[in-house]
Amino acid sequence: EDKVVQSPLSLVVHEGDTVTLNCSYEVTNFRSLLWYKQEKKAPTFLFMLTSSGIEKKSGRLSSILDKKELFSILNITATQTGDSAVYLCAVENSGYALNFGKGTSLLVTP
Amino acid sequence: NAGVTQTPKFQVLKTGQSMTLQCAQDMNHEYMSWYRQDPGMGLRLIHYSVGAGITDQGEVPNGYNVSRSTTEDFPLRLLSAAPSQTSVYFCASSLLAGEYYNEQFFGPGTRLTVL
Repeated sequence: EDKVVQSPLSLVVHEGDTVTLNCSYEVTNFRSLLWYKQEKKAPTFLFMLTSSGIEKKSGRLSSILDKKELFSILNITATQTGDSAVYLCAVENSGYALNFGKGTSLLVTP
Repeated sequence: NAGVTQTPKFQVLKTGQSMTLQCAQDMNHEYMSWYRQDPGMGLRLIHYSVGAGITDQGEVPNGYNVSRSTTEDFPLRLLSAAPSQTSVYFCASSLLAGEYYNEQFFGPGTRLTVL
């Protein structure tokens, strides 16, 4: 059975801190790993990763995948209160189904 | 370009009632899917479709039916509502190939309460 585990489940940091969110997975026939941000409404897409070792970057957010050790990390540098959200990791198998983790709830305090 | 639309936004049902949650997209996406989101559970896949006429089960399909007669629409039917189906339901769509493959677009969600 496919499994996606995110850690930590929740995190409280101060503005300006750097955070690292973790996602480990076990999936048959891995195709891609995706990160989403959810702020009290529908999730919004952040990154899709398919190859090991290639960092994806968007502003202060970056992510990398390790297909040998079966995990990905999402880094957020110089956090702002607007980064407060639930961050979801999802893994796609070759049948196109997405399996989501339970999410990491991030709170950035002023 | 409306993206992914879902109706209704809110719904209250009594146990045993049936209803259909509507989902439509105008981006010509091949892939469409339905998720439910419960507190502390993340998103769980109910059913998905990779094209008109093709559907498949996700992680939690029991109690739900889907059909995909057109590329644009992917309705989710609750056959006989149960309190365990109280949840927020999200529909999503994406391309299956190309540069923006798998960038799933989510609808605004339907909050369903079953009494």
